[in-house]
Amino acid sequence: EAGVTQFPSHSVIEKGQTVTLRCDPISGHDNLYWYRRVMGKEIKFLLHFVKESKQDESGMPNNRFLAERTGGTYSTLKVQPAELEDSGVYFCASSLRPGQGFGANVLTFGAGSRLTVL
Amino acid sequence: KQEVTQIPAALSVPEGENLVLNCSFTDSAIYNLQWFRQDPGKGLTSLLLIQSSQREQTSGRLNASLDKSSGRSTLYIAASQPGDSATYLCAVNTNAGKSTFGDGTTLTVKP
Repeated sequence: EAGVTQFPSHSVIEKGQTVTLRCDPISGHDNLYWYRRVMGKEIKFLLHFVKESKQDESGMPNNRFLAERTGGTYSTLKVQPAELEDSGVYFCASSLRPGQGFGANVLTFGAGSRLTVL
Repeated sequence: KQEVTQIPAALSVPEGENLVLNCSFTDSAIYNLQWFRQDPGKGLTSLLLIQSSQREQTSGRLNASLDKSSGRSTLYIAASQPGDSATYLCAVNTNAGKSTFGDGTTLTVKP
């Protein structure tokens, strides 16, 4: 079984540019989460999809961040325009929903996308 | 609001030593608790998962315990090896699946 795949692994952009991060969850996982870790801080929740619907986006820092999960499969996280403080590692995780089977709410993380804004 | 604290922030031990990493959380209404390992520049690897109804889980040299009422979990590593050097993260999950992470404990095992 393929794990959670994130692309790109590392992106270096200039302040003001746009970056789009992609996450392919484990096939069949309805839950998809975005987290990020900025330098020196803990990993923080950004948002949660259940299939294509945003269940909880309380962690999104501001309206420069836009997440989508069209069709309930892969998800994208766009940062536009990027600022210096957006630098960090963006993690995606997926899990089964309760009722989908054994292992519900057990998070499997991707390797992360490292974003550097210059 | 759930808050997760990990102590110590960093730990350095000689090879072969047994050690305990601590995780505490403020809201005991949890669904499960996961311990992860993160190597530099890499993603998160799930080590152990404890459901809220469980008291402990074991995998090889690792043993994780959970005391929900007191808001504590420990990760015990037996006979530590240099390859165990990494950052260990505790994540507390709610019923909705949203995780709150601690800052992590950076472990260095010296040969």
